[in-house]
Amino acid sequence: GNSVTQMEGPVTLSEEAFLTINCTYTATGYPSLFWYVQYPGEGLQLLLKATKADDKGSNKGFEATYRKETTSFHLEKGSVQVSDSAVYFCALSDWAERKLQFGAGTQVVVTP
Amino acid sequence: SQTIHQWPATLVQPVGSPLSLECTVEGTSNPNLYWYRQAAGRGLQLLFYSVGIGQISSEVPQNLSASRPQDRQFILSSKKLLLSDSGFYLCAWSVSGLNYNEQFFGPGTRLTVL
Repeated sequence: GNSVTQMEGPVTLSEEAFLTINCTYTATGYPSLFWYVQYPGEGLQLLLKATKADDKGSNKGFEATYRKETTSFHLEKGSVQVSDSAVYFCALSDWAERKLQFGAGTQVVVTP
Repeated sequence: SQTIHQWPATLVQPVGSPLSLECTVEGTSNPNLYWYRQAAGRGLQLLFYSVGIGQISSEVPQNLSASRPQDRQFILSSKKLLLSDSGFYLCAWSVSGLNYNEQFFGPGTRLTVL
């Protein structure tokens, strides 16, 4: 079956540091890949997505590239802000299933 | 534009009491609907999903149930709450018929069972 593996957190960074959160997946076929963000006490918001290999999703300074050869979808941001402190979830879906498979989530803490 | 509502926002219930959480979606028709639970400091657990009125798929056997009495209404229920039912409950929807499953989440309900 499908699965998503994320790096464990918490990841603690200083403001303006570079952020990378690793995400790898196992899937049959050609899944679509997503990053969601959850701010404290809130629901999940879609941050970015990629629906086919080599696509790059980007939003709010975050980027992730769908790498089929390494089955990865790592999230990056060049310069984080305190407001980026949140939990980040990697997820995949394939056409056969009407559900998302989520990773365990990675908490990011950005300090001033 | 589409919006998703959940209520109540917070709830404190005694062990053994019943539960009813409601989720409604506006601005779309025939959505896929989902209930997730998030325990403190944990990831998301899919509880139920529905592809149409009266059609419910259960992912995890437990003392919770779900119903979809109307196209854009999804209800999570329990007859008798357990302490382990405490958590953050999230409802989500997605467009049916697409070949990828981008989901949109509600604001969540924080449930504390005492």
